[in-house]
Amino acid sequence: EAGVTQFPSHSVIEKGQTVTLRCDPISGHDNLYWYRRVMGKEIKFLLHFVKESKQDESGMPNNRFLAERTGGTYSTLKVQPAELEDSGVYFCASSQEDWDRYSPNYGYTFGSGTRLTVV
Amino acid sequence: AQSVSQHNHHVILSEAASLELGCNYSYGGTVNLFWYVQYPGQHLQLLLKYFSGDPLVKGIKGFEAEFIKSKFSFNLRKPSVQWSDTAEYFCAVTGGGNKLTFGTGTQLKVEL
Repeated sequence: EAGVTQFPSHSVIEKGQTVTLRCDPISGHDNLYWYRRVMGKEIKFLLHFVKESKQDESGMPNNRFLAERTGGTYSTLKVQPAELEDSGVYFCASSQEDWDRYSPNYGYTFGSGTRLTVV
Repeated sequence: AQSVSQHNHHVILSEAASLELGCNYSYGGTVNLFWYVQYPGQHLQLLLKYFSGDPLVKGIKGFEAEFIKSKFSFNLRKPSVQWSDTAEYFCAVTGGGNKLTFGTGTQLKVEL
């Protein structure tokens, strides 16, 4: 089974530019999550999709961040315009719709993350 | 709001030493608790989880964790670490949903 794929793995952009991160979840996983880790801080929840719908976007920092999941497959996270404080590692994770908490696989499958550096 | 505290930010051990990483959480309801590990250059992987039952949970690679409800703790342990355990370890909690709340992580370095 292919895992969760994120790209690019690294991105360096200038302040004010736009960057789009992409996440391909495991095929068949309806739930898709974005998390972010700013250097030295904890990994923080950004938002949760169920298929193409935003279930919870309470963690989105501000309106410079736009997440989409057209067709309920891959997702993009766009930052426009990027600011210095947006630097960090952006993680994507996915899980099945019927998340069986008694399954040994209970929990997300994470991607390797995109390291974003805004200079 | 729930929160997670990991007290050890950096830990350096020699091979064969015992490991205990502290994790405390703050949440008033029923919680599910997790430990994730991120090896250098790799993605976050689930080490073990607790949702109910036996408070002593065994995970992969010889790790275990004990849920102590009265102390709001879920400490991670391993009797004898190996160089390959060098990684960053994250404690996390969900309460009533699937949204994970993470601690700040602990960098473990195991020296030969």
